[in-house]
Amino acid sequence: ETGVTQTPRHLVMGMTNKKSLKCEQHLGHNAMYWYKQSAKKPLELMFVYNFKEQTENNSVPSRFSPECPNSSHLFLHLHTLQPEDSALYLCASSQDEGKGRGYTFGSGTRLTVV
Amino acid sequence: AQSVTQLGSHVSVSEGALVLLRCNYSSSVPPYLFWYVQYPNQGLQLLLKYTTGATLVKGINGFEAEFKKSETSFHLTKPSAHMSDAAEYFCAVYGNNRLAFGKGNQVVVIP
Repeated sequence: ETGVTQTPRHLVMGMTNKKSLKCEQHLGHNAMYWYKQSAKKPLELMFVYNFKEQTENNSVPSRFSPECPNSSHLFLHLHTLQPEDSALYLCASSQDEGKGRGYTFGSGTRLTVV
Repeated sequence: AQSVTQLGSHVSVSEGALVLLRCNYSSSVPPYLFWYVQYPNQGLQLLLKYTTGATLVKGINGFEAEFKKSETSFHLTKPSAHMSDAAEYFCAVYGNNRLAFGKGNQVVVIP
């Protein structure tokens, strides 16, 4: 148990489907992050939330829609995805932007778009 | 902006041999540095970190790293590789209100 839980662990979806990824942290952290990890590519920071407010959106296509209802929960809503969106999606959390203790990561959701 | 460089995407090491993964950083302020490990289909797990104080930092699984300001480096080492060390390793530096990650090193352990 890492303290950051992601569900589902695996997801296969068609290009016309709508699905959501969920992330929950029990660490009392105030910042949460979505990362995309594709094969042979560096980690890509997608979104950052501090105290439930989105503070960063790294030019992510609108087919990815984040939601952060409170400091413990983070969602990534998916719709009309493309095959190139297949990747491991990682959620992370931190206290005070991770300066002293870094980030705590979840185990990820392996997404396959067919 | 703060950044880290990890050279060589794949590193092969024989079982029982020294593991050495290089990380060089760029930072305009005293850096906060981290090493993470990622096993297949898992998230990243913190191995060790340097914030202030002792420059030789010990982490989990027998790994350690030394902060060298003069060389702007934070190399990760383990004296004797085990098969279980096969994984991807990421160096990171704190800056601009977030961690900046390197591209990672995929470590292969040869029996």
